[in-house]
Amino acid sequence: AQSVTQLDSQVPVFEEAPVELRCNYSSSVSVYLFWYVQYPNQGLQLLLKYLSGSTLVKGINGFEAEFNKSQTSFHLRKPSVHISDTAEYFCAVSLNDPRTTSGTYKYIFGTGTRLKVLA
Amino acid sequence: ETGVTQTPRHLVMGMTNKKSLKCEQHLGHNAMYWYKQSAKKPLELMFVYNFKEQTENNSVPSRFSPECPNSSHLFLHLHTLQPEDSALYLCASSQDRAAAWPQHFGDGTRLSIL
Repeated sequence: AQSVTQLDSQVPVFEEAPVELRCNYSSSVSVYLFWYVQYPNQGLQLLLKYLSGSTLVKGINGFEAEFNKSQTSFHLRKPSVHISDTAEYFCAVSLNDPRTTSGTYKYIFGTGTRLKVLA
Repeated sequence: ETGVTQTPRHLVMGMTNKKSLKCEQHLGHNAMYWYKQSAKKPLELMFVYNFKEQTENNSVPSRFSPECPNSSHLFLHLHTLQPEDSALYLCASSQDRAAAWPQHFGDGTRLSIL
């Protein structure tokens, strides 16, 4: 069965320090990978996506992620965080839905990692 | 401005009330979704519509009734809800379901059941 695992439910980090938020997935088929951010009282906003090509993907707000097929990972990184990066971060995979023959894709979200940036 | 607008932002209702949540997208997308986000639980996909047709219902209780009159509008009709239905309800849209399009989310409706 397909799944997405975000092992860290909370990550505290000091301002201007680097951060890595981990995401691992399990799938027997090819996947497309996404990171979303959710600020308080808002919906999810797309940070970056990997569809194909270079395994290092750059997103908004200085974030980047690296797709590692052998380790089935898509970790999110930022070299220097700001207080304003405090939010919840969700990893998601999109894959061809095996339940259908019409070629539709389904999304699977991780449980989220709460990043808390400390002054 | 996310391109997906949800109203109301907050809703408090009794267990016997009937209310509706509204979602409108201005992105020209053809797929729309309802999600439930509860504290300390994963995001739960409730319903999916693709080109106005419901394509997915993830065992959602019948007290939640979706409606998609056109590709731009999505409603969630609520009646005789339970306290455990208190949550943030998120609407999302994507180009369609036939490719790995990212989803665009609204800011949600915070629902509280008394």
